[in-house]
Amino acid sequence: DQQVKQNSPSLSVQEGRISILNCDYTNSMFDYFLWYKKYPAEGPTFLISISSIKDKNEDGRFTVFLNKSAKHLSLHIVPSQPGDSAVYFCAASVGNAGNMLTFGGGTRLMVKP
Amino acid sequence: NAGVTQTPKFQVLKTGQSMTLQCAQDMNHNSMYWYRQDPGMGLRLIYYSASEGTTDKGEVPNGYNVSRLNKREFSLRLESAAPSQTSVYFCASTRGVAGGSSYNEQFFGPGTRLTVL
Repeated sequence: DQQVKQNSPSLSVQEGRISILNCDYTNSMFDYFLWYKKYPAEGPTFLISISSIKDKNEDGRFTVFLNKSAKHLSLHIVPSQPGDSAVYFCAASVGNAGNMLTFGGGTRLMVKP
Repeated sequence: NAGVTQTPKFQVLKTGQSMTLQCAQDMNHNSMYWYRQDPGMGLRLIYYSASEGTTDKGEVPNGYNVSRLNKREFSLRLESAAPSQTSVYFCASTRGVAGGSSYNEQFFGPGTRLTVL
């Protein structure tokens, strides 16, 4: 049973528009949530995180929103750029030591010029 | 700084063969991890080492063994490879220090693509 789910396997967006990637989780013990970005033939790279004591965290063009009551988080990319085309993984953790990440299945984002 | 390095990049095995995947990090991190990535499944944790001298099972440990050789190196061994172990394997590391306000994100290596025939 997957504790972290990304229900959209792919998403296509026009350059300059907003990309919204969604993630749902079932384990109420999770208190840190992260997004990783992965290009082909490379390892995932950390993008942004959010603690369960917050509902929003921004870093430049990237914003993560957390709705604890719905057990849902989303990543907004504004404006989207062709270089953002990659697979995005949502992940969750108990505690902030970086241990035992549980990943979603990933969403492939394609940003069209 | 090379970060996290993995060898080999690619490997083809026959069913029943054994091999060891190597991983090293030069960031003086305490914790290291092995994941496998399969289509639609995301990354699943095989084994991890919270600190030098300790190892623990993750979500999918069957068919694998690990060794934390020293603080820098963490190897993954397949004793008798099976087609179900065809996957991309990623090693990761993190500072692994609990508490504080910042998150200790995991840093990933480039991966090893393994095919078992």
